[in-house]
Amino acid sequence: AQTVTQSQPEMSVQEAETVTLSCTYDTSESDYYLFWYKQPPSRQMILVIRQEAYKQQNATENRFSVNFQKAAKSFSLKISDSQLGDAAMYFCAYRSPRNNAGNMLTFGGGTRLMVKP
Amino acid sequence: DTAVSQTPKYLVTQMGNDKSIKCEQNLGHDTMYWYKQDSKKFLKIMFSYNNKELIINETVPNRFSPKSPDKAHLNLHINSLELGDSAVYFCASSRTWTGGSYGYTFGSGTRLTVV
Repeated sequence: AQTVTQSQPEMSVQEAETVTLSCTYDTSESDYYLFWYKQPPSRQMILVIRQEAYKQQNATENRFSVNFQKAAKSFSLKISDSQLGDAAMYFCAYRSPRNNAGNMLTFGGGTRLMVKP
Repeated sequence: DTAVSQTPKYLVTQMGNDKSIKCEQNLGHDTMYWYKQDSKKFLKIMFSYNNKELIINETVPNRFSPKSPDKAHLNLHINSLELGDSAVYFCASSRTWTGGSYGYTFGSGTRLTVV
């Protein structure tokens, strides 16, 4: 079974600075999908960014980008120009492409990001 | 229009009661899920349905029973509620069954408190 590990329970960043959240995963599959979700205090789960394992190019969405290192099984999230609204729990997630995986997302334990004004 | 809607948003009930949480999606997705988020924020899948068929049934007590009357609805019924059932329950849906880079669309969650 796949496991996803987020080793930083909490991170703090100054407004307008850059912060990187770490995620590692364990899998024997060669093709899969990775995601970062944001959960603000409102509790809503919001998709931030996604990455297909077969793509070498790192995904980017505005101020959010990833550093995908397939050999190291690492998938970190970089937030540039941090804003107060970025304060939230961030979850890394893995998805297998196999039919019998049922499209299941396996989540890491989350990282709480605090943004200081 | 809300894409994935769950009701109720909050539910406070006594031990031993039976309760239901409803979920509806208007995205035309063919797969729906229930996830449980515990007090430490850990998210774990409970059930997955594809076109009304149960696909994933993780190690969940028999007191939890999902029901999918059609592919746009997935309800969760819980019998004989226990204190340990207190958590946030998320419904979600996704577009494809066979994989793909699509993430989930989540509902806003139901905070269940058992007293």
